[in-house]
Amino acid sequence: AQSVTQPDIHITVSEGASLELRCNYSYGATPYLFWYVQSPGQGLQLLLKYFSGDTLVQGIKGFEAEFKRSQSSFNLRKPSVHWSDAAEYFCAVVPFSGGYNKLIFGAGTRLAVHP
Amino acid sequence: GAGVSQSPSNKVTEKGKDVELRCDPISGHTALYWYRQSLGQGLEFLIYFQGNSAPDKSGLPSDRFSAERTGGSVSTLTIQRTQQEDSAVYLCASSTRELAYEQYFGPGTRLTVT
Repeated sequence: AQSVTQPDIHITVSEGASLELRCNYSYGATPYLFWYVQSPGQGLQLLLKYFSGDTLVQGIKGFEAEFKRSQSSFNLRKPSVHWSDAAEYFCAVVPFSGGYNKLIFGAGTRLAVHP
Repeated sequence: GAGVSQSPSNKVTEKGKDVELRCDPISGHTALYWYRQSLGQGLEFLIYFQGNSAPDKSGLPSDRFSAERTGGSVSTLTIQRTQQEDSAVYLCASSTRELAYEQYFGPGTRLTVT
């Protein structure tokens, strides 16, 4: 079945530590790929996106993500986490079926940052 | 510039009542989307408007849900005869036609059905 999987529901890291949030997708063709962040009580903010080309994409707030076709993955990384990064992170895809523009979201990963 | 705005930010209603949720997209954005975020279902697509085309209503969970978009701008999501399972955060997003995949989200309306 077509899906977006974020295997980690909760992750806790120390401030200054590196971070990697995992995302895998299951679609026949490589969809467009996105990472969104949702801070408490806020809407979703687009961190970065991948359509084609260079498989390492840079986003806002110091985040980057790497697309790996062989693993059907699009993992989000940050070299040094700040306390303000505590939020929920959603991986999303726009699949190429039926010309849809709707986003299909993973279940989200909630990030906690310890001082 | 101004982002997507939604009103009200919070709505508490009694089971069986009708509610209307409003979304003002970013000026110039021709596409508008409604999503629902709930504990049990995560983030799910509800409906999509693009210009004057017929909307994609494939995500609406029941015929109690409807949405309209007036003048190609403001949209209203209506839930009739609300049920407790309708309690969720309703998010609106908009995008341009050219960059339809880059959706900008509003802060959401938290709906609680008692």
